[in-house]
Amino acid sequence: EIVLTQSPGTLSLSPGERATLSCRASQSVDSSYFAWYQQKPGQAPRLLIYSAFLRATGIPDRFSGSGSGTDFTLTISRLEPEDFAVYYCQQYRSSLTFGGGTKVEIK
Amino acid sequence: QVQLVQSGAEVRRPGASVKVSCKASGYAFTTYYMHWVRQAPGQGPEWLGSIDPSAGTTTYAQDFQGRVTMTRDTSTNTFYLELGGLRSDDTAVYYCARRFGGYYLDFWGQGTLVTVST
Repeated sequence: EIVLTQSPGTLSLSPGERATLSCRASQSVDSSYFAWYQQKPGQAPRLLIYSAFLRATGIPDRFSGSGSGTDFTLTISRLEPEDFAVYYCQQYRSSLTFGGGTKVEIK
Repeated sequence: QVQLVQSGAEVRRPGASVKVSCKASGYAFTTYYMHWVRQAPGQGPEWLGSIDPSAGTTTYAQDFQGRVTMTRDTSTNTFYLELGGLRSDDTAVYYCARRFGGYYLDFWGQGTLVTVST
């Protein structure tokens, strides 16, 4: 099973700042099967990015994904108040796994 | 619009089983696989498995083999997750989530809290 390790665990930033979140896989992942989700308290996860860099429907362009192989990155170019949440990466290769999450909190 | 509406919260004793439902609407039921994911308090999501609504075939995560059963009812557009041999560490919110494309989950149910306690 592929293990996804996200860093940092918590990111403290101010609105308007840039956020860079990392996800490292224990084995190489096909980018076609890599995604990012956002989760707010009491809500289900929401798909943000799929195929490593494609934005899901309705996702603003301040969210971007990049990476390949074992290293992937989610970037939020300018944080809006509604972006403070927990972010998870996810991959599929024989089984589907999620990372442990990065919490983006207001500084 | 796509909606996945899950059944309400459940409380079970250790060793019991629980069955959670997920009623789908707003899209062609047999077109998209349904996945089940759970999330323990303060933890990341954990995948339990998936079901092909057309054929009824299932794929279960290795950690849940023998304890989990996923089914569907095409007459009511409803999916079911049954988990047996419940332990305290099965306490979690259980979600159904529709798969599209390369194993991405684009629509999620609201979640069902299952509490396992004496």
